[in-house]
Amino acid sequence: DGGITQSPKYLFRKEGQNVTLSCEQNLNHDAMYWYRQDPGQGLRLIYYSQIVNDFQKGDIAEGYSVSREKKESFPLTVTSAQKNPTAFYLCASSMGGESPLHFGNGTRLTVT
Amino acid sequence: GIQVEQSPPDLILQEGANSTLRCNFSDSVNNLQWFHQNPWGQLINLFYIPSGTKQNGRLSATTVATERYSLLYISSSQTTDSGVYFCALGRGGNEKLTFGTGTRLTIIP
Repeated sequence: DGGITQSPKYLFRKEGQNVTLSCEQNLNHDAMYWYRQDPGQGLRLIYYSQIVNDFQKGDIAEGYSVSREKKESFPLTVTSAQKNPTAFYLCASSMGGESPLHFGNGTRLTVT
Repeated sequence: GIQVEQSPPDLILQEGANSTLRCNFSDSVNNLQWFHQNPWGQLINLFYIPSGTKQNGRLSATTVATERYSLLYISSSQTTDSGVYFCALGRGGNEKLTFGTGTRLTIIP
């Protein structure tokens, strides 16, 4: 079955450590996205990529980094520079442009 | 940027009831989508509906772009319909989407 796989489901880290969240899709989608969700709020865009080897900052990119070396993969690194990293992180993909957006199951990151 | 307002913020219904969720927005859009987030956090795309009406089983959606609102109808609610419903909209590609804060729907058996 086609879909978007995020791993791990839960992640715990100590303050000051970088951590990388995995996102893989087998939908053959060109565009991939990372969102952050905080309790009781909507989603906010961190980074997006419309093509391999290219990515753009979203609304809240500070303290995060990404890479897009393969069409299927779009990992997100939460660096120690991110002031409030504890959140629910969602990866998404689409055909690009104005087309339905599809999400993975998310990774809950807790930093203490 | 475009302002998005969803109403009501919370809705509690008995199983079998019908409901209407509303999404108002402040400017013209050409990209509007509805999502359901289940209690485990999974987000499912329900409709891509920048204008017009669509139906999928017990769910239907209508967007009146000229009046800047979209409605999501759920008929004969089931407990599995519980969760948070988000609308997301914008002008341009998905990177331009603004998400509302959602309507939390609770269906009681």
